[in-house]
Amino acid sequence: DIVMTQSPLSLPVTPGEPASISCRSNQSLLRSNGYNYLDWYLQKPGKSPHLLIYLGSNRASGVPDRFSGSGSGSDFTLEISRVEAEDVGVYYCMQALQTRTFGQGTKLEIK
Amino acid sequence: QVQLVQSGAEVKKPGASVKVSCRASGYTFKTYAIHWVRQAPGHGLEWMGWINAENGKTEYSQKFQGRVTFTRDTSASTAYMELSSLISEDTAVYYCARGGIAAAGLGYWGQGTLVTVSS
Repeated sequence: DIVMTQSPLSLPVTPGEPASISCRSNQSLLRSNGYNYLDWYLQKPGKSPHLLIYLGSNRASGVPDRFSGSGSGSDFTLEISRVEAEDVGVYYCMQALQTRTFGQGTKLEIK
Repeated sequence: QVQLVQSGAEVKKPGASVKVSCRASGYTFKTYAIHWVRQAPGHGLEWMGWINAENGKTEYSQKFQGRVTFTRDTSASTAYMELSSLISEDTAVYYCARGGIAAAGLGYWGQGTLVTVSS
C-alpha cells in the first residue's frame, strides 16, 4: 500500500492568517496522463468528511477559492489563504492512484 | 440533490456479522462507484474498498480481504457492506461515499453508521 504522511498533525491558526498542510507519499502519484491522484478532504467536528480538492489541484464544487491544492509526484500542499472560524476540523489527504489510503489527518484549530 | 442515506446504528457481539446499507438518490445509481470508509473512535479515516455500481465489480483493501463483502441492488439504488467475524476493534463509524467520474474524488458521503462490537 502507498503510505501517506501529513504534517503538521496539529495546526493552530489565527483567523485571517494563512495555513498550509503538507502531504507526502512514499511513491509518485503522477500518472502518465499528467494527473496527480491526490485528494483533500475536510471533516468538520461531528460531521461526515467532504471533498475539497481532487486530482491534486482541482477545487470541488462549492469549495471557497481560499482553498487551493498544489504539488506533484509525491509532495503536495493544501493552502488556505485566510483561515475562517468555519474551517476548523481535520484535514485528510488521500491517494487515488492505487487502492486508496488516507493520511493521518491534520487538526486545524483556531487560536 | 444527491443524497446517500445509511442504515441505523448497530450493536453486535464479537464473532457476529453486520450489514450496513447505503441508499442513493438524486442521480443515476449505476453511473458512479460506491466506496466504503470507516473511522474508529478518535481515529482517522480508513478506506475499505469500493464497488462498481453498474457491474458489481469490487476491490477491497488488503486489510479487510476475506472478511468484507460489498453488494448492490440496482433496482433499489442501494449499496451494502457486510463485515463478518467482528472484533472489538471493528467498532467504528462506517461511511459510504460516491466516487467521482475519472477519479474526481469522493464527492458525496452518507451520514455514517455507528457499529459497536461488544460482548
